[in-house]
Amino acid sequence: AQSVTQLDSQVPVFEEAPVELRCNYSSSVSVYLFWYVQYPNQGLQLLLKYLSGSTLVKGINGFEAEFNKSQTSFHLRKPSVHISDTAEYFCAVRYSSASKIIFGSGTRLSIRP
Amino acid sequence: DAGVTQSPTHLIKTRGQQVTLRCSPKSGHDTVSWYQQALGQGPQFIFQYYEEEERQRGNFPDRFSGHQFPNYSSELNVNALLLGDSALYLCASSLAGGDTDTQYFGPGTRLTVL
Repeated sequence: AQSVTQLDSQVPVFEEAPVELRCNYSSSVSVYLFWYVQYPNQGLQLLLKYLSGSTLVKGINGFEAEFNKSQTSFHLRKPSVHISDTAEYFCAVRYSSASKIIFGSGTRLSIRP
Repeated sequence: DAGVTQSPTHLIKTRGQQVTLRCSPKSGHDTVSWYQQALGQGPQFIFQYYEEEERQRGNFPDRFSGHQFPNYSSELNVNALLLGDSALYLCASSLAGGDTDTQYFGPGTRLTVL
């Protein structure tokens, strides 16, 4: 079955510390991968996407993610977080055979001063 | 450049009632997808509309139906509301034939069923 797993439901980190949010997807020949951020009481905003090409993808707000086909992972990283990064982060996948996007259950990132 | 807009922002209904939610896509987009996001969960795909037809559907009952108009705007209709239909309903738009994999989301409609 097509699925996305976000291994951590909550990740607490101190301000200015690095962070990694983990994401794994069920294997397929061809996938497109996304990270979205959702601030409280708002819709989803696209952080970054992997469609093809370089496996290291840079997005907005200093975030980046690396596509690892052998491990079927697409982990999100930021070298130094800020209080404003407090939000829910969703990993998502679109399989080439379908139009729909499948979302993970989300990881809540909380930043401690 | 107008982004994706949704109306209403909030809605309260009772069990058994029917509801209609509306979405206007981002300027230049022609494809609209609808998602249901229950509290504490990720969005779940309901269906996608392109050229006024349902192109793909997720695992939702027939009580959920939709429509797309010639101006690409869309409606989501839910009949015979259940308590479990309480959720944030998100609309996303994209451009077919372009960067079709990038969906832009609206702020959502919060539906509460009592």
